[in-house]
Amino acid sequence: ETGVTQSPTHLIKTRGQQVTLRCSSQSGHNTVSWYQQALGQGPQFIFQYYREEENGRGNFPPRFSGLQFPNYSSELNVNALELDDSALYLCASSLAPQGNQPQHFGDGTRLSIL
Amino acid sequence: DQQVKQNSPSLSVQEGRISILNCDYTNSMFDYFLWYKKYPAEGPTFLISISSIKDKNEDGRFTVFLNKSAKHLSLHIVPSQPGDSAVYFCAASAMDSSYKLIFGSGTRLLVRP
Repeated sequence: ETGVTQSPTHLIKTRGQQVTLRCSSQSGHNTVSWYQQALGQGPQFIFQYYREEENGRGNFPPRFSGLQFPNYSSELNVNALELDDSALYLCASSLAPQGNQPQHFGDGTRLSIL
Repeated sequence: DQQVKQNSPSLSVQEGRISILNCDYTNSMFDYFLWYKKYPAEGPTFLISISSIKDKNEDGRFTVFLNKSAKHLSLHIVPSQPGDSAVYFCAASAMDSSYKLIFGSGTRLLVRP
């Protein structure tokens, strides 16, 4: 059974650019959530996708957008990058969106904005 | 507005002793609580969870206790092993919030041989 995989591992961008991060969910999981983790803090919820539809969103501006594909893999897109977007971006998948289904995380994409 | 708080940034215990990690929350609508462990350069790994209708859940060396009246939960690790050294995150979810996970800021546990 393959776990959650994220690509790329590291990425360096400059202010104003756009970035796409990718996530393959664990086999059998139809729900994907994205989190941003700043240094020294816990992960912060960005949004969740369930069966290709957005199923909840955290306090992030519209320049953070996402997609989920029929195979349940997902993308996180960030436009007009700002210095504060530098963080570890984590993807998590689960069997269902309900809270009693633990979310399983990938190893993240480290995004640095110069 | 920090709904989930882990007030101890770090904890150091001797191998073989008990590790107790604490977590407080403010939102009474939370109905599910989870603990994750994170090693450097890896994503968080699910450890153990508890529903708000229970006050204890045990899995091997790990036990989570929930005190709803105090809005407090704790993770007990007995006996602690050097491989348990990691950052531990407490997280909570609520049915009325799309089950998004709200994380605490983490506690770094060091188990000394």
